[in-house]
Amino acid sequence: GQQVMQIPQYQHVQEGEDFTTYCNSSTTLSNIQWYKQRPGGHPVFLIQLVKSGEVKKQKRLTFQFGEAKKNSSLHITATQTTDVGTYFCAPDYGGSQGNLIFGKGTKLSVKP
Amino acid sequence: DADVTQTPRNRITKTGKRIMLECSQTKGHDRMYWYRQDPGLGLQLIYYSFDVKDINKGEISDGYSVSRQAQAKFSLSLESAIPNQTALYFCATSEWTSGTAQFFGPGTRLTVL
Repeated sequence: GQQVMQIPQYQHVQEGEDFTTYCNSSTTLSNIQWYKQRPGGHPVFLIQLVKSGEVKKQKRLTFQFGEAKKNSSLHITATQTTDVGTYFCAPDYGGSQGNLIFGKGTKLSVKP
Repeated sequence: DADVTQTPRNRITKTGKRIMLECSQTKGHDRMYWYRQDPGLGLQLIYYSFDVKDINKGEISDGYSVSRQAQAKFSLSLESAIPNQTALYFCATSEWTSGTAQFFGPGTRLTVL
């Protein structure tokens, strides 16, 4: 079945440093979503990318979708302690089901 | 989201017991999902339902069953719980259109002794 590789699995940064997580698929995606799960919380939808090469920004977060629609990244500029949590990519491979296949996530910790 | 509720929030049970986890939503969404989360393994899809008459198996349906009692209610059952079903379980909903955002409930932490 389809699989997605999300790296790194863990990232520890000093507050103020940048952070990037990558999501890679071996097959072309219909679209990709990103979610954030705070410690002890539930996943919360952040954004959806649909177009090849698409770049979207949410304050300090920048999301990119690759030209080939096989990879995506989430970049956080100048991390803050509020950014702590696990970030999941969730590719949609299209088709009649339209289900998401969640990556294993990148757990971000931020040292003040 | 408060629009998606799960009961119970925590449950401890013994091996062999039948357990039901319930999910209700007020978002008016057609699609509902049950996921399981284990540390370091992300979210694995157990079952999903596109409407009341449509139930589909996900990646890891063995040992689980579901019931879609109404558009707003989707329950997950463990027919005979075993310790490796100890996990965090999430219900989620989405609109009918494929590829839309999913909205998750707060989760049920299940421990099987």
